[in-house]
Amino acid sequence: GQQLNQSPQSMFIQEGEDVSMNCTSSSIFNTWLWYKQDPGEGPVLLIALYKAGELTSNGRLTAQFGITRKDSFLNISASIPSDVGIYFCAGQDSNYQLIWGAGTKLIIKP
Amino acid sequence: DAGITQSPRHKVTETGTPVTLRCHQTENHRYMYWYRQDPGHGLRLIHYSYGVKDTDKGEVSDGYSVSRSKTEDFLLTLESATSSQTSVYFCAIGRERETQYFGPGTRLLVL
Repeated sequence: GQQLNQSPQSMFIQEGEDVSMNCTSSSIFNTWLWYKQDPGEGPVLLIALYKAGELTSNGRLTAQFGITRKDSFLNISASIPSDVGIYFCAGQDSNYQLIWGAGTKLIIKP
Repeated sequence: DAGITQSPRHKVTETGTPVTLRCHQTENHRYMYWYRQDPGHGLRLIHYSYGVKDTDKGEVSDGYSVSRSKTEDFLLTLESATSSQTSVYFCAIGRERETQYFGPGTRLLVL
């Protein structure tokens, strides 16, 4: 079946640092979605990408839909404590099924 | 935030008992989904609905059934709960098929 590789699995960062994470797939996707999940809550949609090459920002977050349609990255600039959480990518295939990455856990170093 | 509520938010039940989880939306979105989230597996689709009385199976539908008798409600039923169904269950909604907005989740423990 289709698989999404999301990396890194976890990140320890200093407040103020920039963060980068990505997802790759062996399959082509029509849509890429990025979500953030805080403990005890449901995932919250951060950015949706609909076209290959598309670059979209949401505040300090920037995401891109790869030209090959098999990858996407998410960047967070100048991280702050509330950025802590788990970030998920999800790709939507031609049958409109969402394929989920395993998540990237972001941790701020004290 | 999308207007989605899930009930109950927490439930403890015994093996073999039926359980029904409710998802309610106030957004009039056409699409509704049920996922389960387990460590090591991420989010997995159980069932989804593309309209009133229109539902289809997802990746892990065995042991689950759903019903959607009106736009705003999507029910997930475990006919006879098993310990392997201990999980966190999320409902999601979407106006189109391309994006999904999630509810707060229901934590289910089957003893």
